[in-house]
Amino acid sequence: AQTVTQSQPEMSVQEAETVTLSCTYDTSESDYYLFWYKQPPSRQMILVIRQEAYKQQNATENRFSVNFQKAAKSFSLKISDSQLGDAAMYFCAYRSKGGSEKLVFGKGTKLTVNP
Amino acid sequence: EPEVTQTPSHQVTQMGQEVILRCVPISNHLYFYWYRQILGQKVEFLVSFYNNEISEKSEIFDDQFSVERPDGSNFTLKIRSTKLEDSAMYFCASSESRSPVYEQYFGPGTRLTVT
Repeated sequence: AQTVTQSQPEMSVQEAETVTLSCTYDTSESDYYLFWYKQPPSRQMILVIRQEAYKQQNATENRFSVNFQKAAKSFSLKISDSQLGDAAMYFCAYRSKGGSEKLVFGKGTKLTVNP
Repeated sequence: EPEVTQTPSHQVTQMGQEVILRCVPISNHLYFYWYRQILGQKVEFLVSFYNNEISEKSEIFDDQFSVERPDGSNFTLKIRSTKLEDSAMYFCASSESRSPVYEQYFGPGTRLTVT
């Protein structure tokens, strides 16, 4: 079974600075997808960024980028130029490419952005 | 932008009672999911549903749980006889396709408290 681990329960960053959230996972599959979801307070989870394991290039979405290290089974999220609206719970998630549709989540990292 | 909605936002019930949690998925989506998050723990997959059938379920989703799409818009999760350990946040999600290329869109959740 796949597992996802987020070792940082909480992180904080100064506005305009850069922060990196860590995620490691365990799987025996060779092709899969990894995701970062953001959950603002009292709001739904929204997808921030997605990475397919077969793609060597790290995904980027505006100020959000990932560092995907397949051999190390590591998938960190970098937020550049942090904004107050980035404050949220961030979940790392895994999904098989074929077969199961379920997302396997980590416990989440609560990000605080200080003005 | 279309959103997944869930009602109620908070449900309090007594142990042994039946509860129905309601979700309205995004209108052109065909694949539906329930996840739950017990306080302080990971978000866990419960069930996926397509074409009026369960396509996948976790070991958590035992005979006490059932899902239904009673009409063209609602998707419900029923817990037949609630237990204290059913207290959790329940998230509904929907997607256009079962492919991981297509995002699972989450609702804001229903907090279920069993007393």
